[in-house]
Amino acid sequence: EIQLVESGGGLVQPGRSLRLSCTASGFTFGDYAMNWVRQAPGKGLEWVGFIKSRTYGGTTECAASVKGRFTISRDDSKSIAYLQMNSLKTEDTAVYYCTRDIKWYFDLWGRGTLVTVSS
Amino acid sequence: YVLTQPPSVSVAPGQTARITCGGNNIGNKRVHWYQQKPGQAPVLVVYDDSDRPSGIPERFSGSNSGNTATLTISRVEAGDEADYYCQVWDSSSDHRVFGGGTKLTVL
Repeated sequence: EIQLVESGGGLVQPGRSLRLSCTASGFTFGDYAMNWVRQAPGKGLEWVGFIKSRTYGGTTECAASVKGRFTISRDDSKSIAYLQMNSLKTEDTAVYYCTRDIKWYFDLWGRGTLVTVSS
Repeated sequence: YVLTQPPSVSVAPGQTARITCGGNNIGNKRVHWYQQKPGQAPVLVVYDDSDRPSGIPERFSGSNSGNTATLTISRVEAGDEADYYCQVWDSSSDHRVFGGGTKLTVL
């Protein structure tokens, strides 16, 4: 079955760090760019960032709201994408989705993992 | 790049719903649409302005011209009630951009 499964969410204090994982199965993970999208409670979707496939250099890009604090990486041997979140703020509280990127749109989504930043 | 959607659209069952997505010269970009039901992850319903992924009913269609893209849902059913988001790729920044979302209510 083709799927993405996020993990690593939870409750974290402001200023601390958290790493999310996205485990892929059912397709050749290394062929695709992967993105992270988040959704704050009761709010809309917000693109967080992407990592391109190795074929396209494996480069990353993040939204201005998280740039310098969040980092995206991947381990193609394990079919996992990561979102390293540092210096977390209360406004980072959201469900974080992992998505597969095809020609700049998202054809496959995980079920999401909730990150709550609170003291 | 900013995408503007109406917060809400209401339609009676069996009628046609049109959800707009406004952006500067959006007709020059490829627009994608996602459906999100409460408590669920988004699902792609239209990509590249007007193409449908497999498994999406033909009732879902899209168009894009000028400064407005439109998602059209024909013969609306109660199960279509959801939030709908448009999305584009901003080539100048290589960022993906979402609209604010539209809540479709089936009366």
